[in-house]
Amino acid sequence: AQTVTQSQPEMSVQEAETVTLSCTYDTSESDYYLFWYKQPPSRQMILVIRQEAYKQQNATENRFSVNFQKAAKSFSLKISDSQLGDAAMYFCAYRSAQGGSEKLVFGKGTKLTVNP
Amino acid sequence: GAVVSQHPSWVICKSGTSVKIECRSLDFQATTMFWYRQFPKQSLMLMATSNEGSKATYEQGVEKDKFLINHASLTLSTLTVTSAHPEDSSFYICSASPILTEAFFGQGTRLTVV
Repeated sequence: AQTVTQSQPEMSVQEAETVTLSCTYDTSESDYYLFWYKQPPSRQMILVIRQEAYKQQNATENRFSVNFQKAAKSFSLKISDSQLGDAAMYFCAYRSAQGGSEKLVFGKGTKLTVNP
Repeated sequence: GAVVSQHPSWVICKSGTSVKIECRSLDFQATTMFWYRQFPKQSLMLMATSNEGSKATYEQGVEKDKFLINHASLTLSTLTVTSAHPEDSSFYICSASPILTEAFFGQGTRLTVV
């Protein structure tokens, strides 16, 4: 079974600075998807960024980028120019690309605090 | 993006009663939906996979008779918490995916059993 590990229960960053959230995963599959979801106090899950395992190029979405190291099974999220609105719980998630295995496996989450 | 709507957003019920939570995919058909439970300051725990037209698949340790799931149409899955007790109080979230590359989540339901 796949597992996702987030080793940082809490992180803090100064507004406008850069922060990196760590995520590692374990799988025997070669094709899969990785995601970072944000859960603000409203508790609505919001997709931040995704990465297809077959793509070598790291995904980027504006201020958010990932460092995907497939061999190391590492998938970290970098938030640049942090804003107060970035404060939230961040969950790393794995999904198999095999048909019939659509469920997401989540890490335990990292609580990000942004200090003004 | 696709929209998943969950209702109600919050509910308070008396111990021993049953509560139904609805999850709807508004602009796509979902043959599969997922139900999660989230305790305060914890991650999402998958409870079950809801399959349209067939029985739900429950994760290990989840009581099938306590958490009844019905997926009667391609846009609606329901979770019924039967004979609710205070320990069932939690945040319940559903999700569905029109494509493998993204899952869309409902707004969640905060259940309080008194």
